Amino acid sequence: EEQVVESGGGLIQPGGSLRLSCAASGFTVNTNYMAWVRQAPGKGLEWVSVIYPGGYMYYTDSVKGRFTISRDNSKNTLYLQMNNLRAEDTAVYYCARDTGRRRGVDVWGQGTTVTVSS
Amino acid sequence: DIQMTQSPSTLSASVGDRVTITCRASQSVSNWLAWYQQKPGQAPNLLIYKASSLHSGVPSRFSGSGSGTEFTLTISSLQPDDSATYYCQQYNSYSTWTFGQGTKVEI
Repeated sequence: EEQVVESGGGLIQPGGSLRLSCAASGFTVNTNYMAWVRQAPGKGLEWVSVIYPGGYMYYTDSVKGRFTISRDNSKNTLYLQMNNLRAEDTAVYYCARDTGRRRGVDVWGQGTTVTVSS
Repeated sequence: DIQMTQSPSTLSASVGDRVTITCRASQSVSNWLAWYQQKPGQAPNLLIYKASSLHSGVPSRFSGSGSGTEFTLTISSLQPDDSATYYCQQYNSYSTWTFGQGTKVEI
């Protein structure tokens, strides 16, 4: 079964840093488009970042320069390093997989909650 | 950036009703449009991809149509389990994913 499991969320003060992890099983992260999508409390889905199989990385404007997406092929794990966190980054962060075959995001994790508050 | 606008924001209907949700793109996304269902406290689930292709395991009462800038998701006969929020997503370019703001379906 193809699945991803996120971890690393928590309560962090504004300006702090946090690293989210997404462990994949049943498929390899480096041959898929892997992304982070977040959902603020009571709000809709917001794409955060994506990493291509070839290594290209893209970010939504609000996190550029603060967040970094990466992967460890040996651990088959996706990461999101989040620095200089703001209150508006408070959300459930989902790890998501798109195969690149133009069939949508077919694998989602259960999400990990990040709360930025003093 | 491409903007996605869904309507309505909330929809109330009865079991057995035919329900339609609309998603409009600010510029053409060809047919690179997906629909997701999300229930409270759960991750989204893929329903439709490439505007009209049904994802594996999704009931046939769900269908999608459209191309370019206007798309629809139809539930042919609403069931109690369909109470959820539905999102469209364009993936015309993999460098930027955009979701609609969501449509909450109440039964």
